[in-house]
Amino acid sequence: ETGVTQTPRHLVMGMTNKKSLKCEQHLGHNAMYWYKQSAKKPLELMFVYNFKEQTENNSVPSRFSPECPNSSHLFLHLHTLQPEDSALYLCASSQTGGQEKLFFGSGTQLSVL
Amino acid sequence: GENVEQHPSTLSVQEGDSAVIKCTYSDSASNYFPWYKQELGKRPQLIIDIRSNVGEKKDQRIAVTLNKTAKHFSLHITETQPEDSAVYFCAAEGGSEKLVFGKGTKLTVNP
Repeated sequence: ETGVTQTPRHLVMGMTNKKSLKCEQHLGHNAMYWYKQSAKKPLELMFVYNFKEQTENNSVPSRFSPECPNSSHLFLHLHTLQPEDSALYLCASSQTGGQEKLFFGSGTQLSVL
Repeated sequence: GENVEQHPSTLSVQEGDSAVIKCTYSDSASNYFPWYKQELGKRPQLIIDIRSNVGEKKDQRIAVTLNKTAKHFSLHITETQPEDSAVYFCAAEGGSEKLVFGKGTKLTVNP
C-alpha cells in the first residue's frame, strides 16, 4: 500500500474512554503531522514530528498524547475527551519538517459522546 | 503570527466558466503558498504551490498568482468541470515555518 494510511476511519467514544488513532506512511518521508479539521474552521496543526522528534506542540490539551516510534508511524492517544473534540483528525507527512508538499491521510472521523 | 483570510466561502459556477479564489496573508516574511483540494469525504490533496520569488505559476487549467506587495494570492481555474467541485484551501507559511490555512472555499461546478 502506498501513501498515508489512517485507522480507524470512524470512531465513537465516551468521555471516559481511552482510544488511539494510528497513522502509517509509505512514502519514505521524514516528518509527520497531526491536524484537526472542524466544520467552518481552518485546518489546525496539532503536533509535528521531524525524524521521530517532536518539534511542535501547538498548545494542544494534554488529553491528546502523540507518539512517534519511527519515521513511518504516528499515533494519537486519546483520553477523557470532551464533546468539542469531535472532529476529523488528519495525519500528514512530508519529506522535510517545513510542512511543504503535505501528503494527507483520509482521516479519522471522531465523535465524542 | 500569520493570519490567512480566504474568500469567498462558497462559489458556484457553470461548467466551462472560470473560478477565482482569493487569499490574503498578514506576515510579510511568508514565502510559501500552497493550495489544497478536498473532495467530499476525501483527503486534502496538494494541487499547486508557489514561492515568494515567483509571481505566477501554471499547471494545465490551474494557475496561482502572488502579489507580495499587497500580500494576497489567488487560485484561478479555467474551463471548470464538474470534477473540480470540492473545497479548496489556501495556506501561507510564515517566517516561523508554521503553515496557516484559510477556512476554505466550497466550489460547485454546475453541469
